[in-house]
Amino acid sequence: DARVTQTPRHKVTEMGQEVTMRCQPILGHNTVFWYRQTMMQGLELLAYFRNRAPLDDSGMPKDRFSAEMPDATLATLKIQPSEPRDSAVYFCASAGEADTQYFGPGTRLTVL
Amino acid sequence: AQSVTQLGSHVSVSEGALVLLRCNYSSSVPPYLFWYVQYPNQGLQLLLKYTSAATLVKGINGFEAEFKKSETSFHLTKPSAHMSDAAEYFCAVSKGDKIIFGKGTRLHILP
Repeated sequence: DARVTQTPRHKVTEMGQEVTMRCQPILGHNTVFWYRQTMMQGLELLAYFRNRAPLDDSGMPKDRFSAEMPDATLATLKIQPSEPRDSAVYFCASAGEADTQYFGPGTRLTVL
Repeated sequence: AQSVTQLGSHVSVSEGALVLLRCNYSSSVPPYLFWYVQYPNQGLQLLLKYTSAATLVKGINGFEAEFKKSETSFHLTKPSAHMSDAAEYFCAVSKGDKIIFGKGTRLHILP
């Protein structure tokens, strides 16, 4: 049963610390998305990649967020330095050729 | 520009009653439309997808949705609600590589 995996599932950290979230897309999927979900803003697209190349990161605060795909099986989202307003659930999703996005279980981030 | 509007941020139905979650879309071209469900503390899961092959789309867990171009609607229905259907439901429309999500409707099931 192919699925997107994300680690860690939960992360509590203090303001100013670096946070790295990881995503393993479904094998064979060539498009990877990062979303952030909060009560106030709902689901926001932060960035996405196709064939490991960033296509759009306009939804991401550039000064502290960065997203990469070191290889086809790993996508990372990094926040440095983290702030309390970054507290949210971060989802990764992957898609193949058929446009349908498959979501991971999310990383719940709490920044104190 | 493609977008979706979900009517009602919260909907309550009795167990066994009809579920109807409303979604209207705007799109300049024939869209792909989706319904996703999110259970507590989980990611979004695809319920069903419209790709213009048929206007009535059947999904998982007994849900279905009907594409009505004249009404620009894609409402989600289920004949008989079950307690396990309590979740948040998102309507979405394709926009190139991306999917534009609605703000979600939380479905409450009353015993």
